[in-house]
Amino acid sequence: SQQGEEDPQALSIQEGENATMNCSYKTSINNLQWYRQNSGRGLVHLILIRSNEREKHSGRLRVTLDTSKKSSSLLITASRAADTASYFCAPAAGNNNDMRFGAGTRLTVKP
Amino acid sequence: GAGVSQSPRYKVAKRGQDVALRCDPISGHVSLFWYQQALGQGPEFLTYFQNEAQLDKSGLPSDRFFAERPEGSVSTLKIQRTQQEDSAVYLCASSPAPWLGRATYEQYFGPGTRLTVT
Repeated sequence: SQQGEEDPQALSIQEGENATMNCSYKTSINNLQWYRQNSGRGLVHLILIRSNEREKHSGRLRVTLDTSKKSSSLLITASRAADTASYFCAPAAGNNNDMRFGAGTRLTVKP
Repeated sequence: GAGVSQSPRYKVAKRGQDVALRCDPISGHVSLFWYQQALGQGPEFLTYFQNEAQLDKSGLPSDRFFAERPEGSVSTLKIQRTQQEDSAVYLCASSPAPWLGRATYEQYFGPGTRLTVT
């Protein structure tokens, strides 16, 4: 199965700064999704990027995908304290579209 | 509209007890997933249903774990003879379309059931 690996494991920034999180994977994928999980809550879908796409935007979020390097990045611009959460990437691969989560990046945004 | 709901939200079981965790997916969603999330880790896939058919159960860690979705809506994850290593948050997710065949849809997650085995 295909599993994403997020980097860094933890990130602490000041409100207003940008946050960049990276995800690497090992084999060809169909698509890659990013999710956010606040403390004690379920996961919330952020962005899905298909394997033939290179960049996607949603509000303050920007996701890039480089299939040649088997990596993706999530950029949060002008961060807010409410962005404090764990962020997971989930690459999906194969005919079964197996989607596996990594261990996540724990982002802390200080007010 | 209503999202995915799970019950109970918290469950404490003594080692050796059987537990049943319930998931109510979003109405009409074809696909349903169960995940296990240990503290500080990402969700680990357990099993997948398309309607009432369990098409993938490769992630179930042992034969003590059993899941069903008899009418293609509500699902139950049952753990028999619970062990301490079963302590985790169990997440349920649903998706509107079949997951197989390179589908590209997001999953909608419930709040999870936190299981503690003492």
